[in-house]
Amino acid sequence: GAGVSQSPSNKVTEKGKDVELRCDPISGHTALYWYRQSLGQGLEFLIYFQGNSAPDKSGLPSDRFSAERTGGSVSTLTIQRTQQEDSAVYLCASSLAVTSSAWGEQYFGPGTRLTVT
Amino acid sequence: AQRVTQPEKLLSVFKGAPVELKCNYSYSGSPELFWYVQYSRQRLQLLLRHISRESIKGFTADLNKGETSFHLKKPFAQEEDSAMYYCALIAAGNQFYFGTGTSLTVIP
Repeated sequence: GAGVSQSPSNKVTEKGKDVELRCDPISGHTALYWYRQSLGQGLEFLIYFQGNSAPDKSGLPSDRFSAERTGGSVSTLTIQRTQQEDSAVYLCASSLAVTSSAWGEQYFGPGTRLTVT
Repeated sequence: AQRVTQPEKLLSVFKGAPVELKCNYSYSGSPELFWYVQYSRQRLQLLLRHISRESIKGFTADLNKGETSFHLKKPFAQEEDSAMYYCALIAAGNQFYFGTGTSLTVIP
């Protein structure tokens, strides 16, 4: 594919339901990142993967959030028992590797806008 | 603790005027700093990084360790520069921090 893709583009869910957000990185990119963009809050880093491994999960907002990556490619971010404060745009990015210089060259997806009613 | 601060949420300048988007950081080690930009209806993308000491689209940013700043500057703003700008820092251990962003509007 030409770039990072995310699905769905928009998701409206009821409070308490679980949601899964998907990210397809650029082919060959070993590093994958998840961010949350809330109004007035800027970009909040959630988690990154090097291959299928996530070395540090401390950025996840709560234990309702989890992420996995399989086959070194697709990643899913799962939010269980969604709350209204989870409403945000969730961005995914990928890069060739997780090194400080390569991190700067992240390629972002279009985001998934999550609305919890 | 807030690692990256962008004090201006909104900034308006006239076309042809100089523009400076402020970014201050808090980090005791040697940071790597970046500016990202998001144009209307486009994806977030890297604009420049301090390690490259580059000028992109006429923008430059100098790391000032004494003032812990990484302000983005352009001598003559253009209408196409209107966008959301984010300053970002990567610290040791691959900890990533973005600022809250500055929305720049260039008035024709």
